Amino acid sequence: DIQMTQSPSSLSASVGDRVTITCRASQSISNYLNWYQQKPGKAPKLLIYAASSLQSGVPSRFSGSGSGTDFTLTISSLQPEDFATYYCQQSYSTPPYTFGQGTKLEIK
Amino acid sequence: EVQLVESGGGLVQPGGSLRLSCAASGFTFSSYEMNWVRQAPGKGLEWVSYISSSGNTIYYADSVKGRFTISRDNAKNSLYLQMNSLRAEDTAVYYCARKQIAELYYYYMDVWGKGTTVTVSS
Repeated sequence: DIQMTQSPSSLSASVGDRVTITCRASQSISNYLNWYQQKPGKAPKLLIYAASSLQSGVPSRFSGSGSGTDFTLTISSLQPEDFATYYCQQSYSTPPYTFGQGTKLEIK
Repeated sequence: EVQLVESGGGLVQPGGSLRLSCAASGFTFSSYEMNWVRQAPGKGLEWVSYISSSGNTIYYADSVKGRFTISRDNAKNSLYLQMNSLRAEDTAVYYCARKQIAELYYYYMDVWGKGTTVTVSS
């Protein structure tokens, strides 16, 4: 099975900061990579699919890049509502559709 | 409004069984592949199971294979997860999630329910 590893596991930042979260796959997954945001007590919300395609309704300050094994999620200017946990997920071929372990973004 | 609503969670003893349901509304349920995803307390997301739109193709995570059974009733717009031989490590919030496909090959989960909590404890 494909393993997904995110870094860092947690991150402290301030409103207005530019933040980057990294996700690495254990084998090449082309660009079959999704990013989700989850706030405490809530279901995950899709942000980006196919590594760089922004889901409808998601603010343009969110962007994704990468291909192969290395991917990044960037938030260009952090807003108060962005403090949450972020997960990457691979959707290469058949299931299991494994998730990364998550990156918790906290207010500095 | 597109919506998924899970139910059926609760407290069960180790070795017991539980059946989760997920009611879909606001979209053509029979056209969509579906998944169950769980999240143990304080932990990350874990994909659990997948079922095709017709129900003919099914996958499970190794952690639940042989104990859990996914199914669907397209006439009732409902997804199910039968959980047997439950263990403490199955304690989690269980989400149903719709699989969306873009450009033929890109898969992602675009609609999620709010989740139902399963607690396995004596």
